[in-house]
Amino acid sequence: QKEVEQDPGPLSVPEGAIVSLNCTYSNSAFQYFMWYRQYSRKGPELLMYTYSSGNKEDGRFTAQVDKSSKYISLFIRDSQPSDSATYLCAPSLSGGYNKLIFGAGTRLAVHP
Amino acid sequence: DTAVSQTPKYLVTQMGNDKSIKCEQNLGHDTMYWYKQDSKKFLKIMFSYNNKELIINETVPNRFSPKSPDKAHLNLHINSLELGDSAVYFCASSPTRATNEKLFFGSGTQLSVL
Repeated sequence: QKEVEQDPGPLSVPEGAIVSLNCTYSNSAFQYFMWYRQYSRKGPELLMYTYSSGNKEDGRFTAQVDKSSKYISLFIRDSQPSDSATYLCAPSLSGGYNKLIFGAGTRLAVHP
Repeated sequence: DTAVSQTPKYLVTQMGNDKSIKCEQNLGHDTMYWYKQDSKKFLKIMFSYNNKELIINETVPNRFSPKSPDKAHLNLHINSLELGDSAVYFCASSPTRATNEKLFFGSGTQLSVL
């Protein structure tokens, strides 16, 4: 079993839709949960992160972590064509060195 | 000003050759990384340096040798290239080596081994 599992998609939605992107992970010691966004032919960039369980909201984006079920979600409200990208979840441990374990990423296409 | 820059952007070479990829960051960060993204888009850490000191060395063939002449530069030399080395290699940096630090990625080097 991979440490981080993510449905690769592609996920195609109309503009304005609510998008739900999900990850599962196996290591219960993960404490930080990052979401990176990667546009085609670019490096990933940090979108948002949460610590431990709970929700975090930033504009149209909401990150949710359920540590009891080892499930991570990213919700995008009022999706825009500019949101078309690959979204990578990346949990990491607390303490030690910064060693993110990336999921394979979910490719999202938002069409006008 | 590009924060994390890698050269070259594209690298096409024959099996058995030796090649290098260079990375520079102008963010004043202490920690730099090499990641490999394969054809299935899995992004895996290879190495990490903190202030020129190697701190992460994943299970990578010893044909891959990183070198950090100073904390703003991290190069990757690959000997005896193989077909399976074809991938996109990303350099990244972070302010410190702490686990919750944001990573700043370069645009990647697309390596194709023929």
